[in-house]
Amino acid sequence: QVQLVQSGAEVKKPGASVKVSCKASGYTFTSYYMHWVRQAPGQGLEWMGIINPSGGSTSYAQKFQGRVTMTRDTSTSTVYMELSSLRSEDTAVYYCARDKGYYDSSGYYYYGWFDPWGQGTLVTVSS
Amino acid sequence: DIQMTQSPSSLSASVGDRVTITCRASQGISNYLAWYQQKPGKVPKLLIYAASTLQSGVPSRFSGSGSGTDFTLTISSLQPEDVATYYCQKYNSAPFTFGPGTKVDIK
Repeated sequence: QVQLVQSGAEVKKPGASVKVSCKASGYTFTSYYMHWVRQAPGQGLEWMGIINPSGGSTSYAQKFQGRVTMTRDTSTSTVYMELSSLRSEDTAVYYCARDKGYYDSSGYYYYGWFDPWGQGTLVTVSS
Repeated sequence: DIQMTQSPSSLSASVGDRVTITCRASQGISNYLAWYQQKPGKVPKLLIYAASTLQSGVPSRFSGSGSGTDFTLTISSLQPEDVATYYCQKYNSAPFTFGPGTKVDIK
């Protein structure tokens, strides 16, 4: 079955960076884009960005531009999300989620809904 | 960017009640709308996509409707296991914005 397994919880100091991984299985890794979404304690869902595992292209939410980097390793079917210059407001659960879009016959990609989601990774930023 | 709003922000209803949650997009998004359910401490779960298509395995008491800018999620008969926060989300293009959520509990 399709599964996304994320790396474990992290505790970081302000100003540091964190890199979270998301390993995909049960489907062709390069056929579906992948998103990152975060959720601060008691707050809603916030979209951070998307990566195309096939070519590696990315698109980031304006809020995170310059601080977030999404990469992938096709040999291990893993995507990564690195967030730098961490501050206390970055304390959150970070999720990866597969985009359920598709390529049409001309190669154009139509975005889709998010399914499934990884189990989440808690990142705590504290001095 | 297109903004997503939801109403109400929270509601309390009795078991068996019909519950309706509204989601509004600031610009038309056709039917590129999904609904997710998130129970406390759990991962968000896809309920509905393409505004009205029920995800496999989701109980038929859940339904979605709408197109363009106005959408609704309806629970036809609220059950105790439906206590959760419900989020709508646009997915036609980036940014893939979520609504602020509607918290549903039992009266």
